[in-house]
Amino acid sequence: DQQVKQNSPSLSVQEGRISILNCDYTNSMFDYFLWYKKYPAEGPTFLISISSIKDKNEDGRFTVFLNKSAKHLSLHIVPSQPGDSAVYFCAASDPGTYKYIFGTGTRLKVLA
Amino acid sequence: EAQVTQNPRYLITVTGKKLTVTCSQNMNHEYMSWYRQDPGLGLRQIYYSMNVEVTDKGDVPEGYKVSRKEKRNFPLILESPSPNQTSLYFCASSPPGSSPLHFGNGTRLTVT
Repeated sequence: DQQVKQNSPSLSVQEGRISILNCDYTNSMFDYFLWYKKYPAEGPTFLISISSIKDKNEDGRFTVFLNKSAKHLSLHIVPSQPGDSAVYFCAASDPGTYKYIFGTGTRLKVLA
Repeated sequence: EAQVTQNPRYLITVTGKKLTVTCSQNMNHEYMSWYRQDPGLGLRQIYYSMNVEVTDKGDVPEGYKVSRKEKRNFPLILESPSPNQTSLYFCASSPPGSSPLHFGNGTRLTVT
């Protein structure tokens, strides 16, 4: 049973436009959420996180939104750049088990 | 440089031949974890460790062993590898609490 879901396997966006990546989760006990970016032949790299007590966190071009009632989080990238082309994973931390649970990833392609 | 180092990066072996993938971190992190990445399945947790001599199963522990004798090292052991363990493996570490995981660059394992 997938507790963290990324329903869009891929997304293409024009350079300069907004990229919106979505993630849904099922466990209301998750208290910390993260987004990672992964390039081929490299490990995932941390991008941005948000605690369950917040609904928004911003870092430069990256903003994460958390909607606890809908159990949904999203990552906004504005403006999108070709270097943002990568696979993006969302993850959630389960405070009861100390596990980090990842989604299946969304491949973002930013077109020049 | 703060990093998580995995070795080897690539490994081809045969069914039943015991192998160990090493993982070392130089950030004095308490928490360490192993993941495997498979197409369409994202990152799935194999084992994790909260501290020295404290390990616990993740979501897919079957066929794997780990040990945590020192804080910096967290080796992954496959006593009798099988073809369904062909995958891309990542080691990660983090400080305690709500903190991002830092990942190594991965080990691509092929079991024939």
